[in-house]
Amino acid sequence: QQQVKQSPQSLIVQKGGISIINCAYENTAFDYFPWYQQFPGKGPALLIAIRPDVSEKKEGRFTISFNKSAKQFSLHIMDSQPGDSATYFCAAIWTSGSRLTFGEGTQLTVNP
Amino acid sequence: GAGVSQSPSNKVTEKGKDVELRCDPISGHTALYWYRQRLGQGLEFLIYFQGNSAPDKSGLPSDRFSAERTGESVSTLTIQRTQQEDSAVYLCASSYRTGNEQYFGPGTRLTVT
Repeated sequence: QQQVKQSPQSLIVQKGGISIINCAYENTAFDYFPWYQQFPGKGPALLIAIRPDVSEKKEGRFTISFNKSAKQFSLHIMDSQPGDSATYFCAAIWTSGSRLTFGEGTQLTVNP
Repeated sequence: GAGVSQSPSNKVTEKGKDVELRCDPISGHTALYWYRQRLGQGLEFLIYFQGNSAPDKSGLPSDRFSAERTGESVSTLTIQRTQQEDSAVYLCASSYRTGNEQYFGPGTRLTVT
């Protein structure tokens, strides 16, 4: 199986709150897990990524938490801002392979 | 430097017509990917090129879809005899080499009427 399952489908958060998006994967061969942010009419942009040898990676307000045994990873957006309103996709790839396998996406709305 | 560019940005075509979509990858990127994104859905892999190796065509949904790449530069995705279910945004991405971060273009929105 090469599925990556993402939840929730949509998320509404107040400004300053924490946004949490979860993903689960099945293929244990995956060894690179990026998150992409997509604004309407634009292509996805790489936001942050993690490899399974670490449990957490933080870049500014964005943190990935990774649980290898549970085959789950999540994106946390601290101090969410209206400008963070976008669709977020988790993805997975085995770096000797080619294709990214994407989750279904989460539409995040941050209310002012 | 310049990012991945795609043209046209929008394409409206009649059912049964052929369309050709173009992708210019980031200079120096040896790997190039095509994905399809249906409305409100995630991205679906179509095809992958790496240097002069044979492309991975395993994601192409039917034999109406084909793609070419000249060396490590421009790629074209061709859809023959378009159907309404082909309506989607077609995204191109490139990376320095296989397994590295993929950088996406803005996509071509294809509407088949």
